[in-house]
Amino acid sequence: KAGVTQTPRYLIKTRGQQVTLSCSPISGHRSVSWYQQTPGQGLQFLFEYFSETQRNKGNFPGRFSGRQFSNSRSEMNVSTLELGDSALYLCASSLGLEEGETQYFGPGTRLLVL
Amino acid sequence: QKEVEQDPGPLSVPEGAIVSLNCTYSNSAFQYFMWYRQYSRKGPELLMYTYSSGNKEDGRFTAQVDKSSKYISLFIRDSQPSDSATYLCAMTVLSGGYNKLIFGAGTRLAVHP
Repeated sequence: KAGVTQTPRYLIKTRGQQVTLSCSPISGHRSVSWYQQTPGQGLQFLFEYFSETQRNKGNFPGRFSGRQFSNSRSEMNVSTLELGDSALYLCASSLGLEEGETQYFGPGTRLLVL
Repeated sequence: QKEVEQDPGPLSVPEGAIVSLNCTYSNSAFQYFMWYRQYSRKGPELLMYTYSSGNKEDGRFTAQVDKSSKYISLFIRDSQPSDSATYLCAMTVLSGGYNKLIFGAGTRLAVHP
């Protein structure tokens, strides 16, 4: 079974721009969660989508948004990029049927904001 | 104060040593406890998953949960250079938490031959 894939793997943007990251979950998984990983803050939960609906949300500003498509693929968008948005963005997928079930992570998209 | 505290290390041990990694947490509502391993430039991969207090063993790895002390540990026996990675503890709330994992900062482990 193919794992979680994320595109692109690396991205360089400048302040003020916007960016869209993509995540394809494991086949059959309907839940996709997004996390931001930085050296200072570690791994922080952004939001979770299940069946095209946002089911859970972390403490990030509204510049961070996401969506999920009918095939469970998900995109994350960050508008008006700031230097502090430089991070590794990880998505994780799971069946989404039970709380606390195993999440499988993708390799991440490394975003650098200049 | 962070909900989950984990010493970032780095921790350097010789091959064959027993490694002990620990996390403490403050939210008594946490019910599921996990340990993830993350190699450089890769996403985290699940190592161990526990629900109740006590020990769970899988090969060279043992996860320990003490809910009364709000303390979890991961022990690695006969450590190998291939165990060199960052180890992240993670936990989630049972009710309403679904797939919102709260992670520790991660401990960098280096096992040298």
